[in-house]
Amino acid sequence: EAGVVQSPRYKIIEKKQPVAFWCNPISGHNTLYWYLQNLGQGPELLIRYENEEAVDDSQLPKDRFSAERLKGVDSTLKIQPAELGDSAVYLCASSLGRWDRETNEQFFGPGTRLTVL
Amino acid sequence: AQSVSQHNHHVILSEAASLELGCNYSYGGTVNLFWYVQYPGQHLQLLLKYFSGDPLVKGIKGFEAEFIKSKFSFNLRKPSVQWSDTAEYFCAVSGNTGKLIFGQGTTLQVKP
Repeated sequence: EAGVVQSPRYKIIEKKQPVAFWCNPISGHNTLYWYLQNLGQGPELLIRYENEEAVDDSQLPKDRFSAERLKGVDSTLKIQPAELGDSAVYLCASSLGRWDRETNEQFFGPGTRLTVL
Repeated sequence: AQSVSQHNHHVILSEAASLELGCNYSYGGTVNLFWYVQYPGQHLQLLLKYFSGDPLVKGIKGFEAEFIKSKFSFNLRKPSVQWSDTAEYFCAVSGNTGKLIFGQGTTLQVKP
């Protein structure tokens, strides 16, 4: 079974430039998560999708960050414009569906490491 | 506020030594507890989880964790570590929404 796929794996941009990250979840997984992981810290949730609906985006800095999951499958996270402090790893995860304690394990992708110069 | 605190940021052990990584959480209501591991160059993967029942949970690769409700703790243990256990370990908590709140992580270095 293929895991969560993310691209690119690494991205270096200059500040004020736009950047986009792509995630393809595990087939059949309806819930998709985007996390931000700063160096030396644990991941922090940015946004959670149930199918195509963003059900929790309270931690997404909406002035510069946006996300979409138009067909309820793959998703794109965008930053425009990027700032120096956005340098981090952006993780995507997926799970089967609406939270079920016993079965709804989150599977993580390899992440995209963003460096903003 | 919901939070997870991991006591040790960096642990160095020799092979065959015993391991215990501390994790304390602050969370109102029913909690689900997790330990995730990230081996060098690999993605985060689930080591073990606690939802209910027996507070002593066994995971993959010989790891176990004990949920002590009165202490708000979920410490990770392994009786004898191997060089291949070198990795970063994250404790996490969630409630009914599935939103995971992670600790800051503990880097474990096992010397051969």
